[in-house]
Amino acid sequence: ETGVTQTPRHLVMGMTNKKSLKCEQHLGHNAMYWYKQSAKKPLELMFVYNFKEQTENNSVPSRFSPECPNSSHLFLHLHTLQPEDSALYLCASSQRVAETQYFGPGTRLLVL
Amino acid sequence: AQTVTQSQPEMSVQEAETVTLSCTYDTSESDYYLFWYKQPPSRQMILVIRQEAYKQQNATENRFSVNFQKAAKSFSLKISDSQLGDAAMYFCVFIYGGATNKLIFGTGTLLAVQP
Repeated sequence: ETGVTQTPRHLVMGMTNKKSLKCEQHLGHNAMYWYKQSAKKPLELMFVYNFKEQTENNSVPSRFSPECPNSSHLFLHLHTLQPEDSALYLCASSQRVAETQYFGPGTRLLVL
Repeated sequence: AQTVTQSQPEMSVQEAETVTLSCTYDTSESDYYLFWYKQPPSRQMILVIRQEAYKQQNATENRFSVNFQKAAKSFSLKISDSQLGDAAMYFCVFIYGGATNKLIFGTGTLLAVQP
């Protein structure tokens, strides 16, 4: 399945590092999403972009900074993260918001 | 506020048997979508089935079917002829695409399939 790709697949970073997660969709969709999946917790929606415009920010700390340069690409810029930010970060896309979402394989992030 | 509840943290089924996963939700909206996604050990989230709230007919995808009870706000997933590859975490998802988009995942049900 190559509809939604995410890089890197694994990332280890220190609390003072700056890194970026990348998501790319090849489905011609107009909406893209970032989710955080931590152990023992429900999947958390972080950001929603619709036609490159951010339409939702679910009280995400400013150390997470999304960027959507076009409808096919979505980035999540990370800086001064905390160990509790270690999680699986999932990207998804859909034709329109509220329609079927297709997920990428995720980036497993470990913050030391 | 919308909520999604999956009351069964874990379930187990014998291969070739049938199992039903439950999901209830709460909303004041009338037009929304409900989904079941599965997440196997690979962590890849995969769509299982989708139901539009305005449709009375229950959705079916091969061995997977839902029992959608709109008045009761219930959306259960039935897996028939269970296979080993069905072992995964199953998430019930509510999506409302109105003026304020709402996407809510349930806490998940971990399904084990016994050979």
